[in-house]
Amino acid sequence: KNEVEQSPQNLTAQEGEFITINCSYSVGISALHWLQQHPGGGIVSLFMLSSGKKKHGRLIATINIQEKHSSLHITASHPRDSAVYICAVVGGYTGNQFYFGTGTSLTVIP
Amino acid sequence: DADVTQTPRNRITKTGKRIMLECSQTKGHDRMYWYRQDPGLGLRLIYYSFDVKDINKGEISDGYSVSRQAQAKFSLSLESAIPNQTALYFCATSDFGQGYNEQFFGPGTRLTVL
Repeated sequence: KNEVEQSPQNLTAQEGEFITINCSYSVGISALHWLQQHPGGGIVSLFMLSSGKKKHGRLIATINIQEKHSSLHITASHPRDSAVYICAVVGGYTGNQFYFGTGTSLTVIP
Repeated sequence: DADVTQTPRNRITKTGKRIMLECSQTKGHDRMYWYRQDPGLGLRLIYYSFDVKDINKGEISDGYSVSRQAQAKFSLSLESAIPNQTALYFCATSDFGQGYNEQFFGPGTRLTVL
């Protein structure tokens, strides 16, 4: 049983396309994170959300607490956006549990 | 210089050996975490520490132990390594504050247990 589900698992896009990655979770949460992992393995935190929407350059993250769903959007995608995007939530019955999705592998073709 | 460093970056060891992975941070954060990443499974939390006197088990702590020697240092030990502990290990830090703040990850340690 996965507390965090991401879709799609793999995504290939042409440069310039608008991209959406989805994350659904089944536990009560205090926060949701979007992480980016580059081919070399390094992980960078993109966003932390507890409600609403955040924007950072071409990246937009939204969360709907009632529906237990978050989306990560990339506008005007670029080959340097190619990476694995990971959704993670903090919550569960103790409020301190961390749950990670298995990631969405994005490839942007020039 | 990197804010979160891990040593070693790569390690190959044999079954039954004791091994320690070290994490240091210069961000001044109170909270530190150890994760492992396996293909197809995503990141899983091994242990976390909210300050020097606080150690908590994560989802998969069996076979691992940790030591928080100082605010800046958090070590992960495998007392007797086994092949299914072969994985990519990440250390992360976050600041204390409202809710769970942004996490900063180290570069990872690739561990192979033969």
